[in-house]
Amino acid sequence: EAGVAQSPRYKIIEKRQSVAFWCNPISGHATLYWYQQILGQGPKLLIQFQNNGVVDDSQLPKDRFSAERLKGVDSTLKIQPAKLEDSAVYLCASSLDGGSGSIYEQYFGPGTRLTVT
Amino acid sequence: AQKVTQAQTEISVVEKEDVTLDCVYETRDTTYYLFWYKQPPSGELVFLIRRNSFDEQNEISGRYSWNFQKSTSSFNFTITASQVVDSAVYFCALSEYNFNKFYFGSGTKLNVKP
Repeated sequence: EAGVAQSPRYKIIEKRQSVAFWCNPISGHATLYWYQQILGQGPKLLIQFQNNGVVDDSQLPKDRFSAERLKGVDSTLKIQPAKLEDSAVYLCASSLDGGSGSIYEQYFGPGTRLTVT
Repeated sequence: AQKVTQAQTEISVVEKEDVTLDCVYETRDTTYYLFWYKQPPSGELVFLIRRNSFDEQNEISGRYSWNFQKSTSSFNFTITASQVVDSAVYFCALSEYNFNKFYFGSGTKLNVKP
């Protein structure tokens, strides 16, 4: 079974430029997550989708970050304009839809390492 | 306040020693799940275990074991007879079902020396 795919793996941009990351979850996984992991810290959830609807985006800096999940499969996370503090690894994860009372484990992609100079 | 606290930033042990990684969580949700993930130097997070709030049974999987205690809001992870390949950062995580929230701890870096 194919895992979570992410691209690109690495990206270097200058501040104020824009960047986009792509994620393809595991087939059949209804829930998709985007995380930001700054070096030496735990992942911070940016946004969670269930199919193509947003479940939680409370920690997404909406003035510069946006995400979409068209057709409930692939997802794109965009930063515009980027700041120096956005330098981090951006992780995508997916999980099964647990239904009533259940939450399943997440499977993570390899991440995109973003460097903003 | 931290929802998931991993007080041990870094632990170093010698191969074959046992080691316990601590995790303390905070939630008001009545239904929640706890997880442990491993992040080796390669960077990809690997799922280890999932436990729901209604199941306090401890679990053993090979050299790994987990101790869930609701009374102390802890979900500790023990590696028995550690090996060099266990060297990684280990994260504890909390998912709140009714509040639709998910939190990772800050991680514990485990160094296992030969």
